[in-house]
This record gives sequence, C-alpha cells and structure tokens, in this order.
Amino acid sequence: GESVGLHLPTLSVQEGDNSIINCAYSNSASDYFIWYKQESGKGPQFIIDIRSNMDKRQGQRVTVLLNKTVKHLSLQIAATQPGDSAVYFCADGAGSYQLTFGKGTKLSVIP
Amino acid sequence: NAGVMQNPRHLVRRRGQEARLRCSPMKGHSHVYWYRQLPEEGLKFMVYLQKENIIDESGMPKERFSAEFPKEGPSILRIQQVVRGDSAAYFCASSPTQGLGTEAFFGQGTRLTVV
Repeated sequence: GESVGLHLPTLSVQEGDNSIINCAYSNSASDYFIWYKQESGKGPQFIIDIRSNMDKRQGQRVTVLLNKTVKHLSLQIAATQPGDSAVYFCADGAGSYQLTFGKGTKLSVIP
Repeated sequence: NAGVMQNPRHLVRRRGQEARLRCSPMKGHSHVYWYRQLPEEGLKFMVYLQKENIIDESGMPKERFSAEFPKEGPSILRIQQVVRGDSAAYFCASSPTQGLGTEAFFGQGTRLTVV
C-alpha cells in the first residue's frame, strides 16, 4: 500500500531557532496534506494543511511547503519555543477522511 | 464545548476479554472516525461513521472488531476476545461535515493494554 514517511525520527533545536521537519509521500494521487502536532498523552492537533494545487501555505509561525515533483512536504516552525516540543506527523489525505500518517518526528526544543 | 471526549482514558484487559471504547463527538458533529496508533507508529484509519451508519470500515480487522454510532449516545468501538496485538492507543475524531480538516478534532485517546 501507499505510505507516508518522515526522513528524521528526532530533531533537536535551540529555542528561538527555526525548525524544519520533512516528510516524503509516495501516493501520486495525493491531493491533500495535513500536519499534526501530538503532545505526550494527547490526541493529534491540526496545525496546517495544504492542497496539491498550492506550493506554499503560511500560518501563525508555521509554513508548509509542498514539492509535488519529488513528493516532498515540509513544515517550518519559526522562532521555535519550548511549547513546540512534541511529535509532528504529516498525513496524506487523498481521501477526505482516510488519512495515511507517517511515523512522526519528535521535536525537542533546547532552552 | 468540551471537545471530543473519549473514555476510558486507560483500559486494561486480559486476553480473551472484551474491550469497549467510547467516543462522544463535539456538539454539532455527526461524523466520527476511529484511528489506531501502535507504539511509535503513526495513526492508522479504522472506520468512519455517520449517525447510525457505517460509511467506511475498510480499515477494520474483519474479525473481533465492530463499531457503531447510535442515534443517541456515543460512538462505540468494540473489540471482542482481545489479544496482545490489540494493545494500542485508539483515537476518535469528529467533524461537522465529511473530512478531517480544519473543522475536525481528535480526542485524547483510549490506551488499551492487553495482559
């Protein structure tokens, strides 16, 4: 089956630096992508989404970039804060509800 | 609005017992989705329900697992004759219309441990 994967399982950044979390997907039919944040003991929290007709989308301190040519997705977090420490998942939303999640990247922010 | 409520938060069952996981969607949400997360894995889709109807159960194991979303009350994910491999975190999400996007929210999950 199709899968969504992440390049790095862990990422440590200094507080105040920018973080970049990467994701690769394999389903060429994918047209919708979501980034989630999951804190310990909690459910996934929606961060930002992007559709395949866009290359870039910005939110508050977060930017998602989509490169359809190489099937690559990234999440950029500006001025990373301790509260950003969590596991981040990208998910492929080729269907509107049947998402395929990657294994996640654990982001640790060093004070 | 209390958000998506799942209970129990933690559930321990012996092999062969039944597990019942409950999910109360957010007020005004009639679409419910169940996902399972194995340790250090991403979430995997199990089933999508709308009030009284199973819309898509393609992610559900064919045996021992069932789900319902009655007209009144929470959605229930039922696992019969649990085995160790069923140990996982089970999350539900709800939304006002079909789809997991900006208007959908996940609950905090039920962590099932089979001993």
